[in-house]
Amino acid sequence: ETGVTQSPTHLIKTRGQQVTLRCSSQSGHNTVSWYQQALGQGPQFIFQYYREEENGRGNFPPRFSGLQFPNYSSELNVNALELDDSALYLCASSPEGAASNEQYFGPGTRLTVT
Amino acid sequence: AQSVTQLGSHVSVSEGALVLLRCNYSSSVPPYLFWYVQYPNQGLQLLLKYTSAATLVKGINGFEAEFKKSETSFHLTKPSAHMSDAAEYFCAVSDGSGGSYIPTFGRGTSLIVHP
Repeated sequence: ETGVTQSPTHLIKTRGQQVTLRCSSQSGHNTVSWYQQALGQGPQFIFQYYREEENGRGNFPPRFSGLQFPNYSSELNVNALELDDSALYLCASSPEGAASNEQYFGPGTRLTVT
Repeated sequence: AQSVTQLGSHVSVSEGALVLLRCNYSSSVPPYLFWYVQYPNQGLQLLLKYTSAATLVKGINGFEAEFKKSETSFHLTKPSAHMSDAAEYFCAVSDGSGGSYIPTFGRGTSLIVHP
């Protein structure tokens, strides 16, 4: 069984650009959540997808959007990047659907916006 | 609404000493509670979780935590620190309010282990 993987590991973008981050969940995990972890902070919930539908959203603007695919992969898209978007972005998958209380995290993508 | 407070952004111990990382939570219903560890440049790894069974929860790497409802606490302990325990530790609470089990994380405590 493979774990949760994310790509790329590091990324540098310029303010105003758009970025797509990718996550591959563990096989059979039909729920994926995305988090933003700023330096020195705990992870902040962005949104969750369950069976390809958005299932919950944190306090992030609409320029943060996502997709989940049938093959257990997902994407986080961020438009009009701002300097404050610089952070580690984590995805986490869950094995039992929307009500699962256990999450398996990937290693994260470090995004730097200049 | 659920929330979690981790007391102390940094905790420093000597190798072999007791490790105590503090976590207090706020929840309107009986919560699920978690401790995660994050090593540099890595994602979060689950150490242990409380799900309303035994109040003393044993996790990986010799860590354990005790759920104390009267104190709304879920402190993480380890009898003897190892150099390899140096990492960032996050406490998280999830109470299913509104039908969602999205966890709320604390700000983290950095554990420093001196030789």
